Amino acid sequence: GQSLEQPSEVTAVEGAIVQINCTYQTSGFYGLSWYQQHDGGAPTFLSYNALDGLEETGRFSSFLSRSDSYGYLLLQELQMKDSASYFCAVRSDTGRRALTFGSGTRLQVQP
Amino acid sequence: DGGITQSPKYLFRKEGQNVTLSCEQNLNHDAMYWYRQDPGQGLRLIYYSQIVNDFQKGDIAEGYSVSREKKESFPLTVTSAQKNPTAFYLCASSIDGSGRTDTQYFGPGTRLTVL
Repeated sequence: GQSLEQPSEVTAVEGAIVQINCTYQTSGFYGLSWYQQHDGGAPTFLSYNALDGLEETGRFSSFLSRSDSYGYLLLQELQMKDSASYFCAVRSDTGRRALTFGSGTRLQVQP
Repeated sequence: DGGITQSPKYLFRKEGQNVTLSCEQNLNHDAMYWYRQDPGQGLRLIYYSQIVNDFQKGDIAEGYSVSREKKESFPLTVTSAQKNPTAFYLCASSIDGSGRTDTQYFGPGTRLTVL
């Protein structure tokens, strides 16, 4: 099976940089995805890493180290609207063809 | 506009009643998924379907049933056998279930409350 660990809560101030870590255990590995969910809303896709290294999309970047079974989401120039929950998710290349999500990290951006 | 719709947004049910949650997509996606989310928790997979007329159990399928008679539709029935059904239910779709990226697009969700 798959399991993921991420911090339950992170707090930062506007304009700062924050890093949300994710470690995973899986029997096979395709890639690591990140989703954002505002309170009461639906998750939306942010980024995907299949290979080691950093992927940048505007203010958001995501990093993967396959050898360490570890990844992180980096949010720069934080804005109040970034306050949300962030989920990492893995897709295994064996067995079930569906994502397994972490329990989420709640990010609170303060003025 | 292409997207995923779920109805109703809020649903109340008495204990012992079955209830069906609707999920429709016009993205022409092959794969569809149902997740349950409890307050402050992550998403747990209930059922998924990679193609019409086929579906697989997820991690918490007990007390739920699905059908996939049309590509666009993947309704979820919460049966009276589900012991604690009050939760936020999210439906999602992806282009197919075998692609490496497997980016999922979510509907707005249905919040089910059992009275």
